[in-house]
Amino acid sequence: DSGVTQTPKHLITATGQRVTLRCSPRSGDLSVYWYQQSLDQGLQFLIHYYNGEERAKGNILERFSAQQFPDLHSELNLSSLELGDSALYFCASNEGYSGNTIYFGEGSWLTVV
Amino acid sequence: DQQVKQNSPSLSVQEGRISILNCDYTNSMFDYFLWYKKYPAEGPTFLISISSIKDKNEDGRFTVFLNKSAKHLSLHIVPSQPGDSAVYFCAASESGGGADGLTFGKGTHLIIQP
Repeated sequence: DSGVTQTPKHLITATGQRVTLRCSPRSGDLSVYWYQQSLDQGLQFLIHYYNGEERAKGNILERFSAQQFPDLHSELNLSSLELGDSALYFCASNEGYSGNTIYFGEGSWLTVV
Repeated sequence: DQQVKQNSPSLSVQEGRISILNCDYTNSMFDYFLWYKKYPAEGPTFLISISSIKDKNEDGRFTVFLNKSAKHLSLHIVPSQPGDSAVYFCAASESGGGADGLTFGKGTHLIIQP
């Protein structure tokens, strides 16, 4: 158990809909990262928050957004969903901005039908 | 353009033998490298890492070797055990840590045969 908690574990929704994925980082961790793993793809970095502020953006679509709250949990919002958004979405955390090793949650399986 | 490449999608090794997983990178700014292990329906688990100031790091059955001039690293597992069957991801980051997150390869599926 990495200490990173993600909900929901599985989600099925229709095209055009909006969903929110939730992440609680390890106790004491200030950084939260979101990654997407699609079929045949590695882990694609989406976005990084540190202590409530956005630090870096990767391959995140404009239809997607994220935030980190004062209690350090984070939410990834996915809107106007398309079939191609079906993927495993991982949250990861570490102690701070300069940390190299990140610790992953078990992921949220999103299926868009 | 993939900055971290794992050219073998899968690898089959007999139990008790050595497993060698390879990873190549193109970004010369990478100076910290990690290996993660992933079982189905679970998140990736950190396995071992190495800084660019070293060329070898060992932890039990796992050893990571780094060849900076070739921009190549490898993970050796000796001896291989059935529980090692998983997908292994190579990852890299630039100096200062993970502001941009880690850059991952696409993974190698290691299968340990009895």
